[in-house]
Amino acid sequence: GAVVSQHPSRVICKSGTSVKIECRSLDFQATTMFWYRQFPKQSLMLMATSNEGSKATYEQGVEKDKFLINHASLTLSTLTVTSAHPEDSSFYICSARKMGFEGPYNEQFFGPGTRLTVL
Amino acid sequence: EDKVVQSPLSLVVHEGDTVTLNCSYEVTNFRSLLWYKQEKKAPTFLFMLTSSGIEKKSGRLSSILDKKELFSILNITATQTGDSAVYLCAVTSNFGNEKLTFGTGTRLTIIP
Repeated sequence: GAVVSQHPSRVICKSGTSVKIECRSLDFQATTMFWYRQFPKQSLMLMATSNEGSKATYEQGVEKDKFLINHASLTLSTLTVTSAHPEDSSFYICSARKMGFEGPYNEQFFGPGTRLTVL
Repeated sequence: EDKVVQSPLSLVVHEGDTVTLNCSYEVTNFRSLLWYKQEKKAPTFLFMLTSSGIEKKSGRLSSILDKKELFSILNITATQTGDSAVYLCAVTSNFGNEKLTFGTGTRLTIIP
């Protein structure tokens, strides 16, 4: 199997607070994890690529100081939304790729997502 | 910048109908095109296409890629209410750590 979990599944917070979202690969090791954001009725937009033991690579237009990513182990990456504002309200989804895979395509396995609402 | 456009944006059909979903793309150094089904939470993988003209099939779903026209279609025959979902098309290139660039999706609703 290849199961990815996210915690929490839903969070509501006040404007100005920080929120941490965890992404775990439960039955495999992942050197690379991806963080996506999805606004209502829109597609997934890649925010950043997280590599274990190194700094994340952020997509253009994503503020790295606002969306802090830590990939401290081969099974865990965290996304912290700092000083959250209502416009950060969104569905955040992570995905993970298996370490050491040698096939033609290293599939990304998605977590169930975290719905963030900032009041 | 890589770009993926899906059409239609939404589609409502009756159970038993056949549907065709479209995906066109612009990618620098194309590697693969993938189809996903998203029902409320995480997308689930359907197909990966890398070569033109070779149909991938899984039950009532099938997909084909045209690398000359930069286009792919996803067909669903004898649709069922369980097929109601958002279908996402994504592409990867040989650059950028195989990241996925998604289209806006097609929201498919099957009426019983």
